[in-house]
Amino acid sequence: GQQLNQSPQSMFIQEGEDVSMNCTSSSIFNTWLWYKQDPGEGPVLLIALYKAGELTSNGRLTAQFGITRKDSFLNISASIPSDVGIYFCAGLPTGSNYQLIWGAGTKLIIKP
Amino acid sequence: KAGVTQTPRYLIKTRGQQVTLSCSPISGHRSVSWYQQTPGQGLQFLFEYFSETQRNKGNFPGRFSGRQFSNSRSEMNVSTLELGDSALYLCASSAAGGRETQYFGPGTRLLVL
Repeated sequence: GQQLNQSPQSMFIQEGEDVSMNCTSSSIFNTWLWYKQDPGEGPVLLIALYKAGELTSNGRLTAQFGITRKDSFLNISASIPSDVGIYFCAGLPTGSNYQLIWGAGTKLIIKP
Repeated sequence: KAGVTQTPRYLIKTRGQQVTLSCSPISGHRSVSWYQQTPGQGLQFLFEYFSETQRNKGNFPGRFSGRQFSNSRSEMNVSTLELGDSALYLCASSAAGGRETQYFGPGTRLLVL
């Protein structure tokens, strides 16, 4: 079935560093969503994007809906320890029958 | 509003048994989706129900089934459990599915011995 390519798979960063991750697809999407999952919990929505070129912020997080509509980016500025977790992208392809497509996740680990 | 609730939170079963998991969506939400998540893996889509009808289905064997009741609560059933079915099963609800935001429950962690 259809898949999203999410990268990187994992990241080791120092506290205070900026973080970037992205998702790409071979298909055109009309919605991009970014979720974060803490250990033992369900994913929580961080940012939703609905228009090509849209740039949306949520505190230190900023996400963009790519102009080509085939990709999306998430940036975290000045990372802090509570940012650790798994970040998932999800998207809705044009013409989709309501089923979201999910990336495999980016695991964020902060180096002590 | 209360969030998505899932019961039970933890479950231990043996191979060959069957299991039923329950999900209560946010009040007013009509779409419920189920996902399987194994360690280090992303979310694997099982199926989505909307207004008591299965609207979408992922690539899982027929041992995995579900249903939705008139109050939008949903159950999923796994028959003839296999060791590989050990996973976190997540339920997500949304008002109507599609572009609507999905809100996840905490999941049911199933261990098959």
